[in-house]
Amino acid sequence: DTEVTQTPKHLVMGMTNKKSLKCEQHMGHRAMYWYKQKAKKPPELMFVYSYEKLSINESVPSRFSPECPNSSLLNLHLHALQPEDSALYLCASSQDPGILGNQPQHFGDGTRLSIL
Amino acid sequence: SQQGEEDPQALSIQEGENATMNCSYKTSINNLQWYRQNSGRGLVHLILIRSNEREKHSGRLRVTLDTSKKSSSLLITASRAADTASYFCATSPSGNTPLVFGKGTRLSVIA
Repeated sequence: DTEVTQTPKHLVMGMTNKKSLKCEQHMGHRAMYWYKQKAKKPPELMFVYSYEKLSINESVPSRFSPECPNSSLLNLHLHALQPEDSALYLCASSQDPGILGNQPQHFGDGTRLSIL
Repeated sequence: SQQGEEDPQALSIQEGENATMNCSYKTSINNLQWYRQNSGRGLVHLILIRSNEREKHSGRLRVTLDTSKKSSSLLITASRAADTASYFCATSPSGNTPLVFGKGTRLSVIA
C-alpha cells in the first residue's frame, strides 16, 4: 500500500473535456510533485509545490493547471489535452521543500490517462 | 537531459542469481538514490547513498558509489521473481534542486 493516494486510477477523456486528477498524502510532507511518465521511460518532472506554493514549473503547457488547496492535497486540472498527453501521471511527496534532492520521494500509483 | 544513465537497459536472469545494474551521471551530486517501479505502479524508494559514502546495504540490496568515476551500482543478491521491475537511479546536482531520473534498467527474474 502506498501512502500517497491518487484518483482516479484510470481516466479516458476526449480532447475537449475538462477533468481533474487528485493526489492526497497525510505524512505531513510539505513538498509535492507531479510527474508524467510514458511507457518504458523515466518520470519527467512537471511541477513542484513547496509549502503549498508553486515553486517549479518545467515549462508545462497551460492545458495542465496544478492546484494545491492545502498541505495534504494536490490537483492537476486538465483541459483540451492532446493525444500525446496520454501517459501515466504520478504524484509524489517529500518532507522538506528546502532540500528537494536530498531526501526520498514517496510516490502514488498514478493515474493512467488516455486521450481519445 | 537525464542526469543519470543506467546500464544495461534490460537484464534477464534466473531466480537465485545476482543482478547488477549500473548508473552513470554527469555533474557533482550530494546523493544518489535508487527506486524500483513494478509494472503499472508508482516508484518505490529503495536506498539513498550520500556523496561521502562508498557503500550501503539494505537487506538483499547493496549500493556502491564512486564519485571519482561518477558512477553507482545496485546489486540485488539471490534474486526472486518478485524483484522483476524497472530500477531507476536519481540524482540532484545540488541540495535544493529536484531529482532527475535516469532511463532505468528493466529487470526480469525468471522462476
